[in-house]
Amino acid sequence: AQKVTQAQTEISVVEKEDVTLDCVYETRDTTYYLFWYKQPPSGELVFLIRRNSFDEQNEISGRYSWNFQKSTSSFNFTITASQVVDSAVYFCALTPSGGYNKLIFGAGTRLAVHP
Amino acid sequence: DADVTQTPRNRITKTGKRIMLECSQTKGHDRMYWYRQDPGLGLRLIYYSFDVKDINKGEISDGYSVSRQAQAKFSLSLESAIPNQTALYFCATSASYGAAFFGQGTRLTVV
Repeated sequence: AQKVTQAQTEISVVEKEDVTLDCVYETRDTTYYLFWYKQPPSGELVFLIRRNSFDEQNEISGRYSWNFQKSTSSFNFTITASQVVDSAVYFCALTPSGGYNKLIFGAGTRLAVHP
Repeated sequence: DADVTQTPRNRITKTGKRIMLECSQTKGHDRMYWYRQDPGLGLRLIYYSFDVKDINKGEISDGYSVSRQAQAKFSLSLESAIPNQTALYFCATSASYGAAFFGQGTRLTVV
């Protein structure tokens, strides 16, 4: 079965705190892709990152960083020094192999950053 | 202009009515998708298409149909809308194993 679990439904932090959003996935495929998307209050879905199953290097982009660990089937997302503009729903998603790029989404984590 | 455009952005319709949601893209991608978002459930795939001759059912296709009129156009129809189809609908496009790019969403309410 293919599945993505985001166990944290809602997280509330104060500005400048670091916060980690957890993502655990299930797939029997050896080739797959993992994604994070951001959905701000305006409602659109914004692509943040794509990671393929053969690349376990951590990635950093400004205040954002991602930790991919195949051993624990996790692809966690950390925001350093959070800001109010980071308030959004964040989705982790999985694309198994097969050529169609179908996304399997987690339920999402709602992050509220308070001033 | 947005790369992936959905119309309408908001729609209220009555139970039993037929409604069509339209999507067009300028990214030149061959793959197009329709997803539905419900609170607490994330997004779920309704239909997807590899090209104009290729239409496939997703996880929750019952009650929906689609038409791929051209590489750039993919429409979703609700033949007879029911209240539990009230949701936020997203169209998306992608290239091979690339990221999916989403439209702005259509908020549909069935009363």
